[in-house]
Amino acid sequence: GAVVSQHPSWVICKSGTSVKIECRSLDFQATTMFWYRQFPKQSLMLMATSNEGSKATYEQGVEKDKFLINHASLTLSTLTVTSAHPEDSSFYICSASGAGGYTGELFFGEGSRLTVL
Amino acid sequence: QKEVEQDPGPLSVPEGAIVSLNCTYSNSAFQYFMWYRQYSRKGPELLMYTYSSGNKEDGRFTAQVDKSSKYISLFIRDSQPSDSATYLCAMSHSGSARQLTFGSGTQLTVLP
Repeated sequence: GAVVSQHPSWVICKSGTSVKIECRSLDFQATTMFWYRQFPKQSLMLMATSNEGSKATYEQGVEKDKFLINHASLTLSTLTVTSAHPEDSSFYICSASGAGGYTGELFFGEGSRLTVL
Repeated sequence: QKEVEQDPGPLSVPEGAIVSLNCTYSNSAFQYFMWYRQYSRKGPELLMYTYSSGNKEDGRFTAQVDKSSKYISLFIRDSQPSDSATYLCAMSHSGSARQLTFGSGTQLTVLP
């Protein structure tokens, strides 16, 4: 299957700092990328959908000023957690699709574990 | 009530056992059904993809969908220690990944 790379795989930061997570599709052009948050033993919760060259669409309850998403190219989307707080500690996962977000062609990154002290 | 219910386990089985993983759902509009495998600290990978009702087989894995009962299953035959992971069901009423609803996952351990 296609390869989606996420970086960093884990990060620890101090409260109040900002953290950027990258999601790259390595062998295909991802027109649509998705960002999820996953708490231990819980399901993936979709945070936002990003389409290359346009503003991200955020799900209800997700603060767009807190979680900045940029999808500047067909192979890269970034999630920036601004002014992080301990409650933002979580496992963040991206997925990418080259077919406009079709469920059967969705590939996940390996996730980034954020710990805010 | 959650739209998708999945027994979190944990489930432990001996190597070679047949494993049955299940999800129930409440939204009768769901038509696309998926099973993902997620190893610890990794992202999910797609195992099985099924549209509407019926069975689908791929090697040791069989996915079943019973829309009348709003119930889906994943069977793993001849389970191996390498099958130890969390299995997530996911479903959607459309083909759009934005409408995917995930179960909370079942943690499976296959003991050698």
